[in-house]
Amino acid sequence: DIVMTQSPDSLAVSLGGRATINCKSSQTVLSSSNNQNYLAWYQQKPGQPPKLLIYWASTRESGVPERFSGSGSGTHFTLTISSLQAEDVAVYYCQQHYSIPPTFGQGTKVEIK
Amino acid sequence: QVQPQQWGTGLLKPSETLSLTCAVHGEPFSDYYWSWIRQPPGKGLEWIGEIDHGGTTKYNPSLRSRVTISIDTSNNQFFLSLTSVTAADTAVYYCARDYGWFGPWGQGTLVTVSS
Repeated sequence: DIVMTQSPDSLAVSLGGRATINCKSSQTVLSSSNNQNYLAWYQQKPGQPPKLLIYWASTRESGVPERFSGSGSGTHFTLTISSLQAEDVAVYYCQQHYSIPPTFGQGTKVEIK
Repeated sequence: QVQPQQWGTGLLKPSETLSLTCAVHGEPFSDYYWSWIRQPPGKGLEWIGEIDHGGTTKYNPSLRSRVTISIDTSNNQFFLSLTSVTAADTAVYYCARDYGWFGPWGQGTLVTVSS
């Protein structure tokens, strides 16, 4: 299985500040056949299912605010929230779908400082 | 837009079989893959398996011996069966549309295994 490791486990950011979450995979999730990174990001608020934010490492899902952006390639990826809003308090997960089974990072909890 | 709705038994005893149903409304069911994913209380996400409209399945090797995912395309539903449950299977179980990434997700069903 590909192991996904996120850092940090939690972070506190001021309202309007930048939040940066890192995700590292134990092997590449970049496909040589289509040059796509098989990496997605999710947001999960308490008592709710995860919500897809980004796929192909950097493509925002429809309706997701522009302050959410994804970057990276190969084995290192980043989710950035450019200007943290109160409604962004949640746990964020990365996920690879390069190989079966798809696997998730352990999650990063984002709070307001 | 497709919106999965799920239901099933929420309290099981050890050794019993977990059974969940996911119904999909809003878009052609047969165009997609469908997955089950679980989340133990306070923990992370684990993919259980997927099915396509033709009934072809893929399972997480960690659960393969106990899992069956099936489908009823005439009613836009798919199903999860997990046999011989233990306390370690206590989790919120989600169904979701599967593009490789997952979304949208069902609302989740808490399944508790306790004697």
